[in-house]
Amino acid sequence: DGGITQSPKYLFRKEGQNVTLSCEQNLNHDAMYWYRQDPGQGLRLIYYSQIVNDFQKGDIAEGYSVSREKKESFPLTVTSAQKNPTAFYLCASSIDRHGYTFGSGTRLTVV
Amino acid sequence: GEDVEQSLFLSVREGDSSVINCTYTDSSSTYLYWYKQEPGAGLQLLTYIFSNMDMKQDQRLTVLLNKKDKHLSLRIADTQTGDSAIYFCAAIFLGAGSYQLTFGKGTKLSVIP
Repeated sequence: DGGITQSPKYLFRKEGQNVTLSCEQNLNHDAMYWYRQDPGQGLRLIYYSQIVNDFQKGDIAEGYSVSREKKESFPLTVTSAQKNPTAFYLCASSIDRHGYTFGSGTRLTVV
Repeated sequence: GEDVEQSLFLSVREGDSSVINCTYTDSSSTYLYWYKQEPGAGLQLLTYIFSNMDMKQDQRLTVLLNKKDKHLSLRIADTQTGDSAIYFCAAIFLGAGSYQLTFGKGTKLSVIP
């Protein structure tokens, strides 16, 4: 079955640490996206990539970094520069205007 | 600019109809979507409509679009406790030159048994 997999489901970060969230898809989708979700805020776009080896900043890219070395993979690194990283992170991929598929999310908590 | 707005909460009794409303501000051709999110999970696409359509029905779901007012609604008939979730209205504004989704903040639907 094709799908999009995020791991881990829960992640804990100490102050000052970088952490990387994994997102893998086997749908052969060209575009991939990272969103951050906070209660009452909806989904906000962090980064997106429309093709391998290329990515663009979204609305809230500060404190985050991404890479797109393979079509299937779009990992997100939450750096120590992100002052308030506790949130629910959602990855998505798409092939066209109807093809948005979401992962099941990673909940990141700073301890 | 492009924006999508929706009310944050809705509470209905089991068996009643739920109507979740959304407005959008861009004037270009638009695809409009409704997603459902259950607690701790990702988003599930429920239905979509293009801005040249007025209505779309799919089993218990009916989407109505008022193009003049840029108002979209999702009606859930015979609402069940399993429908309790957050419902997101989202849009792809084709004039923006990409297929990026713009989301509303989500409406939390609570179904009272």
